[in-house]
Amino acid sequence: QVQLVQSGAEVKKPGASVKVSCKASGYTFTSYDINWVRQAAGQGLEWMGWMSPDSGNTGYAQKFQGRVTMTRNTSISTAYMELSSLRSEDTAVYYCARGVEDSSGYYYKYFHHWGQGSLVTVSS
Amino acid sequence: DIVMTQSPDSLTVSLGERATINCKSSQNILYSSTNKNYLAWYQQKPGQPPKLLISWASTRESGVPDRFSGSGSGTDFTLTISSLQAEDVAVYYCQQYYSTLLTFGGGTKVEIK
Repeated sequence: QVQLVQSGAEVKKPGASVKVSCKASGYTFTSYDINWVRQAAGQGLEWMGWMSPDSGNTGYAQKFQGRVTMTRNTSISTAYMELSSLRSEDTAVYYCARGVEDSSGYYYKYFHHWGQGSLVTVSS
Repeated sequence: DIVMTQSPDSLTVSLGERATINCKSSQNILYSSTNKNYLAWYQQKPGQPPKLLISWASTRESGVPDRFSGSGSGTDFTLTISSLQAEDVAVYYCQQYYSTLLTFGGGTKVEIK
């Protein structure tokens, strides 16, 4: 079965960077984009961007442009999301999520599969 | 970006009663060539990732109880829980995937009266 297993909780100081990993199993890693979504405590879901594990192509929400980098290591079926210049407002749970492919091979960005979430706390 | 606006922010419903959640997109998310609305609904319980309930505005995912239904087209959408059960207490989100820049609604918290 499809699984996305994320790295553990992190505590970072303002101005630092954090790198969260998302290890995929149960499917061909390079066949589906990985998206990242974050959620601050008591708040809604915020999409950050996507990465193609096949090509390495990325697309980021404007809010995070210049601060976020999404990468992958195909040899270990793992995607990464690195967020720099952290501030207190970046304290949140970060999720990776995989889209859906239909029977015709078209890919859509709604998410049936999610990682368990990684809590990132930014505090001095 | 396409803005998704949900209403109400919270909803208190008696067990067995109907719960209705609305989601409005700032632009049309019906793709004319396929006649499909690029809208999904999720349920999220505390400490868990979101769970996909409905895609294409009205297609229920496998295993989702049939008391959950989605409707609407274009810019106005509704998630209905026909007979609220205790296990339905959660926050519900809509999401558009029409644009490559994905956006979610702000969420609707459903509680038991």
